[in-house]
Amino acid sequence: GQNIDQPTEMTATEGAIVQINCTYQTSGFNGLFWYQQHAGEAPTFLSYNVLDGLEEKGRFSSFLSRSKGYSYLLLKELQMKDSASYLCAVRGSTLGRLYFGRGTQLTVWP
Amino acid sequence: ETGVTQTPRHLVMGMTNKKSLKCEQHLGHNAMYWYKQSAKKPLELMFVYSLEERVENNSVPSRFSPECPNSSHLFLHLHTLQPEDSALYLCASQPDLNTEAFFGQGTRLTVV
Repeated sequence: GQNIDQPTEMTATEGAIVQINCTYQTSGFNGLFWYQQHAGEAPTFLSYNVLDGLEEKGRFSSFLSRSKGYSYLLLKELQMKDSASYLCAVRGSTLGRLYFGRGTQLTVWP
Repeated sequence: ETGVTQTPRHLVMGMTNKKSLKCEQHLGHNAMYWYKQSAKKPLELMFVYSLEERVENNSVPSRFSPECPNSSHLFLHLHTLQPEDSALYLCASQPDLNTEAFFGQGTRLTVV
């Protein structure tokens, strides 16, 4: 089966740095995605990793280690608007389907 | 705004009703998906369409019936649903099967 594991909740303060971890065990691997979802809204694409290493995009960075089945999303200079659920998803080897974790609800306090 | 539009945004239906959810994209994407998002559970893939052909039916009960009349539109027909089917139903599209997914805002469905 497919297993994507990430913490349920995290809290941090404005201006801080937070790291959201994701571990996965899937029968195939063709890339890992991070999505942000605000309450009542659509998930929006944040980042994509298919090779090992760090991908940086502004305040957000994502890291992947395929040998460890591990990824993290790093958010710097946190803002109140970053309060949202962060979804880790692994693309399997067939039909481009995505396997999602339960999401990590991040709350940023002033 | 992702370019994927879902209607209605909210739907309340009885267990004997028949209703349909609609998804529309004019992004030129060739793959479209239906996902179910229940509280405290991961997003669950329901159906995959590629070039208007259904390529996956992920063990979804027959009371959910998808339809893809063309590459821009995707429907989910609902009949004799159960209260446990209450959830957020998300449509997504991708340029092809191996690219990122663009999600619609979802339809919040409540079955009473």
